[in-house]
Amino acid sequence: GAGVSQSPSNKVTEKGKDVELRCDPISGHTALYWYRQRLGQGLEFLIYFQGNSAPDKSGLPSDRFSAERTGESVSTLTIQRTQQEDSAVYLCASSRRGEYTEAFFGQGTRLTVV
Amino acid sequence: DAKTTQPPSMDCAEGRAANLPCNHSTISGNEYVYWYRQIHSQGPQYIIHGLKNNETNEMASLIITEDRKSSTLILPHATLRDTAVYYCRTSYGKLTFGQGTILTVHP
Repeated sequence: GAGVSQSPSNKVTEKGKDVELRCDPISGHTALYWYRQRLGQGLEFLIYFQGNSAPDKSGLPSDRFSAERTGESVSTLTIQRTQQEDSAVYLCASSRRGEYTEAFFGQGTRLTVV
Repeated sequence: DAKTTQPPSMDCAEGRAANLPCNHSTISGNEYVYWYRQIHSQGPQYIIHGLKNNETNEMASLIITEDRKSSTLILPHATLRDTAVYYCRTSYGKLTFGQGTILTVHP
């Protein structure tokens, strides 16, 4: 597609359940980023993939959070045993080469943990 | 990553120029300055970037000081649709963002 696509756009889950969020980056973009944005807050970096390099996981808040990316395509962000504080919009972005190139964001997945 | 500092909020009258400042005093020689904006409930949108020369595109102009320690994003004729949070960043790799400036354009 023309832009970064995220699915689902909305997800409501019960506390303690696992969720998987998907990101389809722009074709040819080697860099992919995940962010969390709580209501009224700024963008919180979670994880960064660049080509075949080991991902930068320094922003993951706990071991309940993990992400994978197959080559330079789709990425999934998994949250295990969800908690109410995980409620947020999860945003994905991709860029051609990482640094020095602009990033394009998807519209996000709004996760609500009840 | 160079830390950035922006005012938390600014106002601008419709049709006037909006000048949004950003301090990045620890920027290194080959780090670019990027600007993005986020309109309510949408994903952030890239606006413009630069290294040391001033830049202009269809959305905005970017003025970078000679010492590169600060920059200003200029929206030459602000409209109500420019009301958004504006983020300035400089970084390698992981694309971190500060808290941004909430710009409110009023009639």
